Amino acid sequence: QQQVKQSPQSLIVQKGGISIINCAYENTAFDYFPWYQQFPGKGPALLIAIRPDVSEKKEGRFTISFNKSAKQFSLHIMDSQPGDSATYFCAARLLNYGGATNKLIFGTGTLLAVQP
Amino acid sequence: DGGITQSPKYLFRKEGQNVTLSCEQNLNHDAMYWYRQDPGQGLRLIYYSQIVNDFQKGDIAEGYSVSREKKESFPLTVTSAQKNPTAFYLCASSMVINSNQPQHFGDGTRLSIL
Repeated sequence: QQQVKQSPQSLIVQKGGISIINCAYENTAFDYFPWYQQFPGKGPALLIAIRPDVSEKKEGRFTISFNKSAKQFSLHIMDSQPGDSATYFCAARLLNYGGATNKLIFGTGTLLAVQP
Repeated sequence: DGGITQSPKYLFRKEGQNVTLSCEQNLNHDAMYWYRQDPGQGLRLIYYSQIVNDFQKGDIAEGYSVSREKKESFPLTVTSAQKNPTAFYLCASSMVINSNQPQHFGDGTRLSIL
C-alpha cells in the first residue's frame, strides 16, 4: 500500500512534443506529491510538487495533473527540449511515518530522451 | 552557496571491509536521510534522522549504520554485512516542522565492489 507505481519506464519524444509520465498510488495517507528530475551522476532535484486539494499545477513548461478519486497524478512537459532528457521520479509523502513528517515514497523512475 | 556535499564521489570496497560515506549540509535543516538507488528500483530509504543524536531505520537498513553527532553531518557506514553494496547512495535533508519544504539531495556516492 506504500508503493507508487510509475510508467512508462522509458520514453522517447521528439523536440517540441509533449512528454507525459504517469503515477498511481493506493495509500490515501499520502499528502504531498513532488516530481524530481535527475541527470546522470547527479542527485535528484525538485521540479514541481502538488498537494491533493489541487487538481492541476503549472510551472513554465511543466504541469502536474492530479486526480484524487482515481489516485493518479501525471507530469506533462510541454514543448519538450533535448535539455529535458533526464530521469524523472514521482514521489508521495507519507504523513506521520513513525513520527517523521517527511518520508517520501518514490516511483521507479522514467528515463526521458528528447530527440532533436 | 547552501547545499549538500557528499564525498567521495566514487568509492570501492573490498570483501569484509566497512566503508563510510560522508554527507554534510549547510542548509540548517533538521532532518537528514540516506537513500540507495539501484537501476529500475527508484530510491529506497536506508536511515533517517530528525534531530541530532537520534536516527531511525528506513526500509532497507540491514547492513548499514549511521550516526548524527552534529546537525550538519550524517555519515553512512556500509558494513561487511551488506552483501550487495554496489549502488548509488544519495543523502538528502529537509526541514521537519514545515511540511511544505521539499527534500534536497546531494550528488551521490557510487559504491562498487573490488
